[in-house]
Order: sequence, then C-alpha cells, then structure tokens
Amino acid sequence: DQQVKQNSPSLSVQEGRISILNCDYTNSMFDYFLWYKKYPAEGPTFLISISSIKDKNEDGRFTVFLNKSAKHLSLHIVPSQPGDSAVYFCAASEEAAGNKLTFGGGTRVLVKP
Amino acid sequence: GAVVSQHPSWVICKSGTSVKIECRSLDFQATTMFWYRQFPKQSLMLMATSNEGSKATYEQGVEKDKFLINHASLTLSTLTVTSAHPEDSSFYICSARGGGFNSPLHFGNGTRLTVT
Repeated sequence: DQQVKQNSPSLSVQEGRISILNCDYTNSMFDYFLWYKKYPAEGPTFLISISSIKDKNEDGRFTVFLNKSAKHLSLHIVPSQPGDSAVYFCAASEEAAGNKLTFGGGTRVLVKP
Repeated sequence: GAVVSQHPSWVICKSGTSVKIECRSLDFQATTMFWYRQFPKQSLMLMATSNEGSKATYEQGVEKDKFLINHASLTLSTLTVTSAHPEDSSFYICSARGGGFNSPLHFGNGTRLTVT
C-alpha cells in the first residue's frame, strides 16, 4: 500500500513558467513533509519542507503548499529554469514513528529552454 | 550544510561474494542513519534504520542476515550485502539527520551495485 503518491510521473514546462508538482498521502499521522530533487546516479538533495501546522512555506523560487484536509501537498517552482530538470520526490514522516521518511514515486521534470 | 559521504560510488561483484558500503557524516554526528534502496525508475524504499551502538531496525521484507548493518561510531554506518545475487543489483543510498529531531535528512550520493 503506497502511503505517498505522486500521480504524475513526468512534467514538461517552458523555461520561465511555473512548475507545479503534486503529491497525495493516505496516512493522517504524517506530520512533516519534504521535497527532494534527484539527479541520476546521485543521492536526493533536500529542497524544502513543511510542518503539518502550516499550510505554506516559501524559499526563493520554491513554495510548498499543504492541504491537510485533502491530504495533498504541492510544490511550485517559479520561474522554472533548465537546471531544475530532475526527478522530484515528495516525502512524509511521522514523528511518533521515528521520523522515517516515506517517499512518493517521483515526478520527472523537464524544463525546456 | 550537513554532508554525508558514501563509498564506493559504484561496485561490480560476482554472485556469492559480499560487498561493504560505507556511509559517513562528515561535519556532524549522527546517532541514526537510514539505508534506502532504489530500483530503476522506482521510488526510494527504506531498508533499515541504523542506530549507533545498537542493532539496526529492519523494514518488513528486508532480510537482516543478508543486509548487515553496523553503526559503530557517530559518524560511520556500514551496509554489507552478503552472498550477493543479481537481484541485489540496485542503487543503495544512505542518509542521516544533520540537526534536531525534525530536521531534513541529508543523503549520500549513493552506491550503484551490480552483481554479475
């Protein structure tokens, strides 16, 4: 049973436009959510996180939105740049479970110049 | 920022041999490290939680006798794949938390294991 799902396996966007990546989860006990960026043959790099007590967190071009009632979070990248082309994973954790991360399946983003 | 170093970055071994992968936290101490595995075009799956000075905690379906984890110090955890088989070929990634309990995990660059 996949507790964290990214239903879009890929996304293509023009440079300068907004990239919106979506993530849904089923475990209502998750209380901390993160987005990671990953290039091939490398480990994931942390991008941005949000606690369940917030509904929005912004860091530069990256904004994460959390809708707890819908068990849905999204990552907005604006403006998108060619260097943003990578696979993006959302992840969730539950403090009571030791903060182990559960990852979604990833969304491959291609930003076209 | 927190740096996690993983070695080797890739390894090819023959069926039946054992392979050791090292994970080091370079600028912080990590009482807990996590080992993940990623098959091609799939997500990262948690294999086990490595605890300094105590036994690792394995996720359901992960054989503890096959994937030996040793976390002997606050900066080093090792994963040994014993009696490797071709189906063990995968990308193995370690991670550690660089700050407080709810700080993000930082990942090593991974190890590509190919068993022939």
